[in-house]
Amino acid sequence: DVKVTQSSRYLVKRTGEKVFLECVQDMDHENMFWYRQDPGLGLRLIYFSYDVKMKEKGDIPEGYSVSREKKERFSLILESASTNQTSMYLCASSVGQDYGYTFGSGTRLTVV
Amino acid sequence: RKEVEQDPGPFNVPEGATVAFNCTYSNSASQSFFWYRQDCRKEPKLLMSVYSSGNEDGRFTAQLNRASQYISLLIRDSKLSDSATYLCVVTILTGGGNKLTFGTGTQLKVEL
Repeated sequence: DVKVTQSSRYLVKRTGEKVFLECVQDMDHENMFWYRQDPGLGLRLIYFSYDVKMKEKGDIPEGYSVSREKKERFSLILESASTNQTSMYLCASSVGQDYGYTFGSGTRLTVV
Repeated sequence: RKEVEQDPGPFNVPEGATVAFNCTYSNSASQSFFWYRQDCRKEPKLLMSVYSSGNEDGRFTAQLNRASQYISLLIRDSKLSDSATYLCVVTILTGGGNKLTFGTGTQLKVEL
């Protein structure tokens, strides 16, 4: 089975901190994605990547950036954390654009 | 209008009942369709893909109506373990390729 591992299950950060969320997948998937999930809003796509060093903005990229230096790792960066970025962050990978995704177990980030 | 719309529920049904969920999507160019299941405080997991001819996986049947732009999921002989949130997912064509867009989910509670 594909495994998608997110480095932290829970994080608490202060407003203004730079935050790194790490995601690693072990199945050589080309495609990786970062979503955030909030009650009543569902999953919203922040950024995605179809190849190393390639990135595309999703629906809500403001306040975030990403890095994909290696195929297996896709990092989400909050340049200056704000309280409205408190959320559940989910990383996913897939073998192709029209295939289902495998998600990591999520990082619940609280910004205080 | 949301790209993918679902009735949030909750649907409270007795064990053994048959329950159906519908989902509508707005982009007629959507190409791939899925149902995901998400347990409380867990990541979404792929339940099944949805094909134009309809498809079945055990107690679960998925249907696609392209003309009316809706997808359905039928669960027969409901089990307590079916209690979860069911997410309808479609691919949307973007400039960067296809991306999955998630509905906000329908909550199912199966009771004794």
